[in-house]
Amino acid sequence: AQSVTQLDSQVPVFEEAPVELRCNYSSSVSVYLFWYVQYPNQGLQLLLKYLSGSTLVESINGFEAEFNKSQTSFHLRKPSVHISDTAEYFCAVSDPRSNDYKLSFGAGTTVTVRA
Amino acid sequence: DAGVTQSPTHLIKTRGQQVTLRCSPKSGHDTVSWYQQALGQGPQFIFQYYEEEERQRGNFPDRFSGHQFPNYSSELNVNALLLGDSALYLCASSGYHEQFFGPGTRLTVL
Repeated sequence: AQSVTQLDSQVPVFEEAPVELRCNYSSSVSVYLFWYVQYPNQGLQLLLKYLSGSTLVESINGFEAEFNKSQTSFHLRKPSVHISDTAEYFCAVSDPRSNDYKLSFGAGTTVTVRA
Repeated sequence: DAGVTQSPTHLIKTRGQQVTLRCSPKSGHDTVSWYQQALGQGPQFIFQYYEEEERQRGNFPDRFSGHQFPNYSSELNVNALLLGDSALYLCASSGYHEQFFGPGTRLTVL
């Protein structure tokens, strides 16, 4: 069984400041890792994913996450946030051995960006 | 290319009633998963349909059932609604090692 822990439930941050959202997972096997973003009253959008290869993955809107196998972490970072980054962020894992791509999610981190 | 679509957007029911939610997957996808997202929580896996069969199920009671049609669209049915069933219900279709989510159906049980 796999589980995800998001260590911060709420992260307030000022515009143009950096932000880090922490995610740790528990699994006895290798995993695929994902970050999803949910804007108010909307569904989930994939932000970035790690399947294999380089442990540093980037999104098109400036976010990046680094897979750290020894620390079982997949923290999300952005060097300079915008007001529009205000949203709920979810870390999720899936089992690469499975063909169902079922996701196990963390409880989420609410990011509020203030001017 | 239309993404995952869900209907209705919002729904209000009373305890004991039954509800049906609908989902159309992304073009080319044949697998549909349903998740329940209670307020302030992460989505929880309900079940998944593939080739019109339930392939896997999460920890949800039998009051939650589903169906997949030959065109790969899917329905989620919930019987004997409880107040605790109030949530955002998300449908996702599967691509290459990725799930694509619809906008969700907000169910309120009074």
